[in-house]
Amino acid sequence: ETGVTQSPTHLIKTRGQQVTLRCSSQSGHNTVSWYQQALGQGPQFIFQYYREEENGRGNFPPRFSGLQFPNYSSELNVNALELDDSALYLCASSLEQRMASYGYTFGSGTRLTVV
Amino acid sequence: KQEVTQIPAALSVPEGENLVLNCSFTDSAIYNLQWFRQDPGKGLTSLLLIQSSQREQTSGRLNASLDKSSGRSTLYIAASQPGDSATYLCAVANAGNMLTFGGGTRLMVKP
Repeated sequence: ETGVTQSPTHLIKTRGQQVTLRCSSQSGHNTVSWYQQALGQGPQFIFQYYREEENGRGNFPPRFSGLQFPNYSSELNVNALELDDSALYLCASSLEQRMASYGYTFGSGTRLTVV
Repeated sequence: KQEVTQIPAALSVPEGENLVLNCSFTDSAIYNLQWFRQDPGKGLTSLLLIQSSQREQTSGRLNASLDKSSGRSTLYIAASQPGDSATYLCAVANAGNMLTFGGGTRLMVKP
């Protein structure tokens, strides 16, 4: 059983650019969530995807968008990057029907630096 | 809006001590509570999950308790070791299955 894998592991972008982060969910999981973790803080919920549709969104602007594919993998896209977008981006997967019992499995994250 | 607070924010103890990390939350309508470990610059490793109907879970030297009515959870680490040094995060799951995290407790166990 594979875990959650994220790519790339590190990324440096210039302010105003666009970035795409990728996540492969754990085998058998059908729900993917994305979190942003600024240095020294707890992760903040960005959004969740279930059956290829957005299924909940945190307090993030529309320039943060995502996709979920039929194989349950997911992308996080951020447009018009700002310096404050520098953070560790974490992907988590779960099985929607068993989330209460088994919780979430997290990937190792993508470290994004905006300069 | 759910809010999660972790106390203390940082903790330094000598090896071998037993210690307690605290987590409190404002909305008791949770599905579960999860404790995670995070090493510097790394992702989250799930330690324990307590469902809303449960009172505690144990794994090795770790024991987590949940008092949903008072909005509190504790993570007990027995006989701490230098390898336990990390940031410990608690997170609660509410309707919509999103997780709300606390700010974490940074633990340093000195040899």
